Amino acid sequence: EAQVTQNPRYLITVTGKKLTVTCSQNMNHEYMSWYRQDPGLGLRQIYYSMNVEVTDKGDVPEGYKVSRKEKRNFPLILESPSPNQTSLYFCASSFTTGSNEQFFGPGTRLTVL
Amino acid sequence: SQELEQSPQSLIVQEGKNLTINCTSSKTLYGLYWYKQKYGEGLIFLMMLQKGGEEKSHEKITAKLDEKKQQSSLHITASQPSHAGIYLCGAVLDLGGGADGLTFGKGTHLIIQP
Repeated sequence: EAQVTQNPRYLITVTGKKLTVTCSQNMNHEYMSWYRQDPGLGLRQIYYSMNVEVTDKGDVPEGYKVSRKEKRNFPLILESPSPNQTSLYFCASSFTTGSNEQFFGPGTRLTVL
Repeated sequence: SQELEQSPQSLIVQEGKNLTINCTSSKTLYGLYWYKQKYGEGLIFLMMLQKGGEEKSHEKITAKLDEKKQQSSLHITASQPSHAGIYLCGAVLDLGGGADGLTFGKGTHLIIQP
């Protein structure tokens, strides 16, 4: 089944404790992206990747890192999480650029205490 | 300011009634997507519109793109409980550099009353 998977689906952590949210797609998509969704602010792009070893900042990249060592994986790294990073995170992928239909993962709900 | 404005922000409709959700862009549109999201879950692709005047339908959901007005409308006919959720429009906008990919509206919360 073609899909985008994220892990974990739910995470509660404390300020400053490094964490990684994994994202994997099995559709051989070149483009992958991370969004966060917050009440009243909608979906905002954090980082995106056009292909392996190519990553770029989105609208709200501060406090996040990403890597794209393999085509299928695009982990989101929070080196020192803070409470303002409490949010619902979505990974998405598409065949080429972000202007194509994007397939979204199920979301990761992160709470930083 | 928000590049993509959705209206209304929330909508309560009696089952069986028709409804319309609008998405208006403040910048030139190069393509518009409609997604549906169940609360706390991922986004499900509904439709993509790329040309002015284009209209697409999927079951009881129809979406149109008015390029001149830089606006899209999503119309649901004879609403059902399964239509409840958050509807999001996403668009490819000319933002003059910066983020690639889709810019999203804040969403419209749709509740269907039995």
